[in-house]
Amino acid sequence: EPEVTQTPSHQVTQMGQEVILRCVPISNHLYFYWYRQILGQKVEFLVSFYNNEISEKSEIFDDQFSVERPDGSNFTLKIRSTKLEDSAMYFCASSEGRDSANTEAFFGQGTRLTVV
Amino acid sequence: AQKITQTQPGMFVQEKEAVTLDCTYDTSDPSYGLFWYKQPSSGEMIFLIYQGSYDQQNATEGRYSLNFQKARKSANLVISASQLGDSAMYFCAMRDGYSSASKIIFGSGTRLSIRP
Repeated sequence: EPEVTQTPSHQVTQMGQEVILRCVPISNHLYFYWYRQILGQKVEFLVSFYNNEISEKSEIFDDQFSVERPDGSNFTLKIRSTKLEDSAMYFCASSEGRDSANTEAFFGQGTRLTVV
Repeated sequence: AQKITQTQPGMFVQEKEAVTLDCTYDTSDPSYGLFWYKQPSSGEMIFLIYQGSYDQQNATEGRYSLNFQKARKSANLVISASQLGDSAMYFCAMRDGYSSASKIIFGSGTRLSIRP
């Protein structure tokens, strides 16, 4: 069964460093998303991406964040200068993009980012 | 604005019993989709079931069913014959519109624990 894959599963980084979280969405999907979940808290929307541009972003997604689809398969989230409060589980998700009743998003297994 | 409310932070249920997880929502869009996701202790987000706002029948997927009461704006998840492996965090989520262009927002979750 097709699935969204994320790498790495766990990343530890020093405060102030740049990190890139990688995702391979399901191959025929057109919409891509990043979410984050701070430990023990709810899942928060960061950004959605379609046709090589951002469709929507939340207030969390400030200038330190950026997304890119560098080739036909990868979808990346870059955090330019990490802060302690960026420590969270980051989920990538993708949707098929049909305008029909069934528009669920499939999530990757997540990348746990720890900023020290 | 969209809003998802899960009022049960935690629940304990005896194995083999049925369990209902509550979810209410609010939206001004007549077209929307409702989802339930399961998050086991390993952290991944697993899609369980989907209900569209125009669907006439309640959604079912194996042991999962969604009790959709549109007038009450509720979308409760029913798990029949609970199993130990059902112990996890469960999130109710919603997307406005019948399109993958709009983001999915999540409730705060219910932690379900199944007792042997």
